[in-house]
Amino acid sequence: GIQVEQSPPDLILQEGANSTLRCNFSDSVNNLQWFHQNPWGQLINLFYIPSGTKQNGRLSATTVATERYSLLYISSSQTTDSGVYFCAVLIKAAGNKLTFGGGTRVLVKP
Amino acid sequence: GAVVSQHPSWVICKSGTSVKIECRSLDFQATTMFWYRQFPKQSLMLMATSNEGSKATYEQGVEKDKFLINHASLTLSTLTVTSAHPEDSSFYICSATSGNLYNEQFFGPGTRLTVL
Repeated sequence: GIQVEQSPPDLILQEGANSTLRCNFSDSVNNLQWFHQNPWGQLINLFYIPSGTKQNGRLSATTVATERYSLLYISSSQTTDSGVYFCAVLIKAAGNKLTFGGGTRVLVKP
Repeated sequence: GAVVSQHPSWVICKSGTSVKIECRSLDFQATTMFWYRQFPKQSLMLMATSNEGSKATYEQGVEKDKFLINHASLTLSTLTVTSAHPEDSSFYICSATSGNLYNEQFFGPGTRLTVL
């Protein structure tokens, strides 16, 4: 089956620090999304990025499809960035469904 | 745009009763809706995929008679947990997409079910 691995599993940051979250996947993807799950459980769409680079404010993401990984960059972290970050991939050959990684739990301390 | 709502946001019920959860796409037509389940401190697991007007496709290990899914319109899908038991207690999340299946999925806020 599809393997989606996220690292690190846990991350503690001081407010203002930068960080990089990684997502490795086992096959060519047709869709890759990054989400932030807030403390109330809501999944917030951050990026739809099957390939290339995108930026949105303090967040940016890069997917290198040929090497089967994606990176999420958080710059100048704020306490509101705390939560769990998930990447999810959709692989056509595996049935057209999103498969989630295990998540990275981020805590930003003031 | 691309807002998905769920109702209720939380529900407590007695063992043996049935619970219905609604998922609505508020500002787009959802050709496909998905239902996920999430246990505490775990990732999301897909339960089923539903297309408007057709039967849902369930993932391996998910009981279709236990978790009834109806996708009656392009903006509404429902999940009914029948004869609920404490082990069905979980966080249920729906998502929706329009167009082809590779398009971005948008998620509802989730429903926390507690079965006593």
